[in-house]
Amino acid sequence: GAVVSQHPSWVICKSGTSVKIECRSLDFQATTMFWYRQFPKQSLMLMATSNEGSKATYEQGVEKDKFLINHASLTLSTLTVTSAHPEDSSFYICSAREGEGFYEQFFGPGTRLTVL
Amino acid sequence: GQNIDQPTEMTATEGAIVQINCTYQTSGFNGLFWYQQHAGEAPTFLSYNVLDGLEEKGRFSSFLSRSKGYSYLLLKELQMKDSASYLCAVRDSNYQLIWGAGTKLIIKP
Repeated sequence: GAVVSQHPSWVICKSGTSVKIECRSLDFQATTMFWYRQFPKQSLMLMATSNEGSKATYEQGVEKDKFLINHASLTLSTLTVTSAHPEDSSFYICSAREGEGFYEQFFGPGTRLTVL
Repeated sequence: GQNIDQPTEMTATEGAIVQINCTYQTSGFNGLFWYQQHAGEAPTFLSYNVLDGLEEKGRFSSFLSRSKGYSYLLLKELQMKDSASYLCAVRDSNYQLIWGAGTKLIIKP
């Protein structure tokens, strides 16, 4: 299957700082990328869907100004958590899909964010 | 609304067989996925069903009945490394994945 990478794999930051997480599709062009958040012992929660070159579509309840998503190229999407607070501590997972319709989603390894 | 139900937790014995059920109610259906997720890791793909019936892949099999909105994941010859959460996800009419809460499977020696 296709490979999706995330960087960093874990990050610890102070409250009030911003953190950027990168998601890359390594061997395919990702028309669509998805950002998920997962709290301990809970399932994946879709935060937003982004298509290359256009604005991300955020799920209800997700603050656009706090979670900035940039899908600048067909192989890179970034999620920036601005002014992070301890309640933002979570496991962030991206996934990428090559096209619309029946294309499979491939998941990155996830980024563990801890805000002190 | 859209809803996917699966048991929260199951326990099984090493070497045995376990069946994890998933029922769904979604707006449209374009396939059902099963993923395995170990603690602290991202989900990994296990199986995909879009037509009724059983799909077998080694020790893992997945069954789908679209008329009943029902699927199950069958794991045979359980190994300790199978201890993980198993996520059922349905792709709806917009090709969005709708996720279940996951079933935590505990394997005992």
